[in-house]
Amino acid sequence: DGGITQSPKYLFRKEGQNVTLSCEQNLNHDAMYWYRQDPGQGLRLIYYSQIVNDFQKGDIAEGYSVSREKKESFPLTVTSAQKNPTAFYLCASSPLKENEKLFFGSGTQLSVL
Amino acid sequence: GQNIDQPTEMTATEGAIVQINCTYQTSGFNGLFWYQQHAGEAPTFLSYNVLDGLEEKGRFSSFLSRSKGYSYLLLKELQMKDSASYLCAVMDSNYQLIWGAGTKLIIKP
Repeated sequence: DGGITQSPKYLFRKEGQNVTLSCEQNLNHDAMYWYRQDPGQGLRLIYYSQIVNDFQKGDIAEGYSVSREKKESFPLTVTSAQKNPTAFYLCASSPLKENEKLFFGSGTQLSVL
Repeated sequence: GQNIDQPTEMTATEGAIVQINCTYQTSGFNGLFWYQQHAGEAPTFLSYNVLDGLEEKGRFSSFLSRSKGYSYLLLKELQMKDSASYLCAVMDSNYQLIWGAGTKLIIKP
């Protein structure tokens, strides 16, 4: 079955630590996205990528980094520079066509110890 | 600035009908999406409207008025499994999605 997989489901970060969230898709989608979801707020775009080895900052990229070495994979690193990392992180993918719907992974809940 | 407004929470009774409204002010318009999200899970696509009017899909329908910057999602014959958050998102002139904060729908027996 095609889909998009995020891991882990829950992640804890210590002060000063970098953590990496995994996102893999086997839908053959060109575009991949990372969103942050906080209670009472809409999804906010962190980074997105439309092609391998290229990515663009979204609205809240500070304190985060990404890579796109393979079409299937788009990992997100939450660095120690992100001072308020506690949130639900959603990865999504879509075909590179206008107005195409997004397919979401099941999310990673990141908390600070 | 760009803005999407939805009610924070709504309550309805099993078997009834509920309408969730979404108003938007965006830089351009290239379509409006509705997604359903159960707590702690992935959002799933419900509907897409780009032209004015009503789109019906089983128990769910979505309406759009571009001149009023307004959409609604209509859920009929409510079931307990419909308890979820409903997210409205508008694609702006740059084909970027602007998201509302979501409406939490509580279904009571």
